[in-house]
Amino acid sequence: NAGVTQTPKFQVLKTGQSMTLQCAQDMNHEYMSWYRQDPGMGLRLIHYSVGAGITDQGEVPNGYNVSRSTTEDFPLRLLSAAPSQTSVYFCASSQSLAAPREQYFGPGTRLTVT
Amino acid sequence: AQKITQTQPGMFVQEKEAVTLDCTYDTSDPSYGLFWYKQPSSGEMIFLIYQGSYDQQNATEGRYSLNFQKARKSANLVISASQLGDSAMYFCAMRGTAGNMLTFGGGTRLMVKP
Repeated sequence: NAGVTQTPKFQVLKTGQSMTLQCAQDMNHEYMSWYRQDPGMGLRLIHYSVGAGITDQGEVPNGYNVSRSTTEDFPLRLLSAAPSQTSVYFCASSQSLAAPREQYFGPGTRLTVT
Repeated sequence: AQKITQTQPGMFVQEKEAVTLDCTYDTSDPSYGLFWYKQPSSGEMIFLIYQGSYDQQNATEGRYSLNFQKARKSANLVISASQLGDSAMYFCAMRGTAGNMLTFGGGTRLMVKP
C-alpha cells in the first residue's frame, strides 16, 4: 500500500492563479480531510469528507473548494490564490471512529503564493 | 467547540532523561480521543500515542506514555530516556464525535541535548 499520497510536493503560485492539490489513499478509508499548517503553528482543518459525495467545511474553509467523487481521491482546489494561503497542506485519511489509531497523514505540499 | 492548549513553546532535555510535554483540552463532547504526533524537521506527521476518553488505563507505546487526568482535562506526553532523535515538534490533538477530524494544539519544540 502506498498509504496517503499528495502531489505536488512543492508549488509556487502567483496571486490570483488557481490550482488543485491532489490527495489519494489506497486503504479504502471513509474519512479524508485537508489541513493547513502555518509557520510555528499547529494544523487547522480546511475541509473534510466522511464518504464519497459528502463534504463539509472545517475551521478555515474560505478560498478553498473540495469534492469527493471517489473513495480514493480528495482534491483541494484553490480558486484564486492569495499570499495568505502560503502554507504547508496535509491530507489525512482514516477508516472510522472505531479505529482511532489509524489516522494517516500524507507527506504534505508546501505552497508559496507570491 | 474543541480547544487544545500547549503552553510550552520550547523545551530542552538532557539525553537519557525523561521529559513531560503538557497538553490541556476543552470539549463538550462526552466521548473523545486524544492524540500525540511528532513532526521532525523533515515535516511529516508521525503518530505516537492515543488515549480514548473512556479508557481506564493510561496509554503507553514503548518510551511514550500519556498521563491522562480527565478531571483536570489534561493529557500530558511523557517521553522516557530521551534520545537525540526525539528532537522535533510535538503536537497534541483531539478528535470529537463529529467525523474523524482533529483539532490541534500549537505544538511544543523539544530539543534534546547530548
